[in-house]
Amino acid sequence: EIVLTQSPATLSLSPGERATLSCRASQSVSSYLAWYQQKPGQAPRLLIYDASNRATGIPARFSGSGSGTDFTLTISSLEPEDFAVYYCQQRSSWPPGYTFGQGTKLQIK
Amino acid sequence: EVQLVDSGGGLIQPGGSLRLSCAASGLTVSGNYMSWVRQAPGKGLEWVSIIYSGGSTYYADSVKGRFTISRDNSKNTLYLQMNSLRAEDTAVYYCARAYYSHRSGYPEAFDIWGQGTMVSVSS
Repeated sequence: EIVLTQSPATLSLSPGERATLSCRASQSVSSYLAWYQQKPGQAPRLLIYDASNRATGIPARFSGSGSGTDFTLTISSLEPEDFAVYYCQQRSSWPPGYTFGQGTKLQIK
Repeated sequence: EVQLVDSGGGLIQPGGSLRLSCAASGLTVSGNYMSWVRQAPGKGLEWVSIIYSGGSTYYADSVKGRFTISRDNSKNTLYLQMNSLRAEDTAVYYCARAYYSHRSGYPEAFDIWGQGTMVSVSS
């Protein structure tokens, strides 16, 4: 089973700053990795799929990169609405299923 | 507008059963890869189950043999039948559409989500 490890667990930044979130897989997942944003009391929202493709309606300040085992979500200039919890996710071929990282909480400094 | 509406949650005793529903509009449940994802209070996301457009079903080990995913094409609704419920099944349950990647040939990520329904298992 592939394990996804996100770091840091908590990231404290100010609006306007650049945020860099990391997701490391215990074995290669090629480039099939997704990122989600979740705000309190809301369902997750897909931000990035296939490691670097922005989902529909996602602002250009969100970007994803990486392949194999190391992936990064970058928010170029933080807006007040970006403070939330972020999860990475991948699909396993066997056993068939999906795994999420434990999340990174992005909070206002 | 594409929308998924989750319902059916509630308070249930350990060992009991519950059926969750996810009513879809703007997309056909039978023509998509549909999944359930749950989130225990204050915890992260955990994938539960998926049903492929062709009908194949898969489950997380934690629910295998206890939960059953299904769909009613005439009602355009996804279901999760949950039996032998345990305290550790307490969570918000979300239905989600898994988008199909033509590049990989598999449903890779979840692009449309319901609002979630809370299931509490307690005596």
